[in-house]
Amino acid sequence: QKEVEQNSGPLSVPEGAIASLNCTYSDRGSQSFFWYRQYSGKSPELIMFIYSNGDKEDGRFTAQLNKASQYVSLLIRDSQPSDSATYLCAVLWIGNQFYFGTGTSLTVIP
Amino acid sequence: NAGVTQTPKFQVLKTGQSMTLQCAQDMNHNSMYWYRQDPGMGLRLIYYSASEGTTDKGEVPNGYNVSRLNKREFSLRLESAAPSQTSVYFCASRGLRNEQFFGPGTRLTVL
Repeated sequence: QKEVEQNSGPLSVPEGAIASLNCTYSDRGSQSFFWYRQYSGKSPELIMFIYSNGDKEDGRFTAQLNKASQYVSLLIRDSQPSDSATYLCAVLWIGNQFYFGTGTSLTVIP
Repeated sequence: NAGVTQTPKFQVLKTGQSMTLQCAQDMNHNSMYWYRQDPGMGLRLIYYSASEGTTDKGEVPNGYNVSRLNKREFSLRLESAAPSQTSVYFCASRGLRNEQFFGPGTRLTVL
């Protein structure tokens, strides 16, 4: 059984702080990892993807992958109120099926 | 480019009624997906189509059927709607880096 787990939150951080979102997954055969942001009432939109162990940075966002420990995380630096949303972790195993976590709700307090 | 489009945006059905949710993408992607999203449950895969002419079951296929009409279009059909199918339905297509592009969603209520 493939599972993707996230802390549902809510996670609250002050504006300008670093928000840290975590995701663990159950199967070592996973290949690709994705972070999506979903505003209330809207569809998910891709923030980042990561395939290899280590860090990947894109602007204020950093994705970290540790396959041995089976976790992937997302750091948001200099958090802004516009970052307030639900963040979904997704994992692609060999094949065509994606598995999503239940999401972490983030609130950035001005 | 419109990306991924879905119709309708909202729908209310009575138990036992049928309906088809339409999805189209203009990005020339091979793979397309149907998900449902319920509070506290995340996105769950209903069916997917890896390429034109193929469809496969996902995690929660019961009560649904799909048709990959051509490379652009992938429809989801509820033959006899049940209250348990009240949900938000998202269609997605898969890009070259395996990222998914989602449509705006359909909010379905079954009474």
